[in-house]
Amino acid sequence: QVQLVESGGGVVQPGRSLRLSCVASGFRFSSFGMHWVRQAPGKGLEWVAVISYDGRSKYYADSVKGRFTISRDNSKNTLYLQMSSLRGEDTAVYYCAKDADPYIAVSGTDSWGQGTLVTVSS
Amino acid sequence: DIQLTQSPSFLSASVGDRVTITCRASQGISSYLAWFQQKPGKAPKLLIYAASTLQSGVPSRFSGSGSGTEFTLTISSLQPEDFATYFCQQLNGYPFIFGPGTKVEIK
Repeated sequence: QVQLVESGGGVVQPGRSLRLSCVASGFRFSSFGMHWVRQAPGKGLEWVAVISYDGRSKYYADSVKGRFTISRDNSKNTLYLQMSSLRGEDTAVYYCAKDADPYIAVSGTDSWGQGTLVTVSS
Repeated sequence: DIQLTQSPSFLSASVGDRVTITCRASQGISSYLAWFQQKPGKAPKLLIYAASTLQSGVPSRFSGSGSGTEFTLTISSLQPEDFATYFCQQLNGYPFIFGPGTKVEIK
C-alpha cells in the first residue's frame, strides 16, 4: 500500500523559510519521480515542482523558481521542499505526489499525500 | 507555457445524468493529458491518463477522449459519489499546468 505522509507545515512570517518533508512507503521510492502540488484555500491546484527518480533533474513553476528547492533522499525514502522568501500567496495546502510510472512522467500522479498546510502571515 | 481552460466551470446535474467536461490546451499536447477528481478536504485522485486510459480501480462510467488541444471527460451515469471538482492536467512538458477545475454539484 503506497503511503505518502507530508509534514513541516505551519504558520510562518513573510520573508522567512520553511522546509516540508514527505515520507514515502509501500513502493520503490528510488524508481519514481516525485512532485509537489499546492492548493490555496478555496482555489484550484497549482503544480509546484518535480524531481526525477535519481534527483538529477528538477523543474519548477515560474511562481516559485529561485525561491523553492525540491530535493530527495532515496536512502530515507523522503522528498523535501525547501521554501524561502515566503509570501502571502504561498499560503496553501502542499501535497506530495508520486509519478504513476517509474522513471518517466507521462501518466500522471497516482498517489498523493494528505497535504500539509502552510500559512504565510505576520 | 501551455495554458488549460475548462468548461463549464460549474455544472448542476442529477443522479443518472450523462455529464461531459471539456478541457482545452493553448497548444497541442498530443495525448498527454490527465484527469483528476477532488472531493472537499481530500487529495486529488487520478481518474484518467494519456487522455483516455482509465486508471486502475476507477469505475467504467468515467471515460476520456481527445488529442491535440481538445479533450473531454465523460461520466456516463452520474452517481452520488461523483459530485466533486474535476481538474485536467497537461503532461506534455513542464510546468505540468492544471486546468482551473469544474465543480459538479447536485441539481
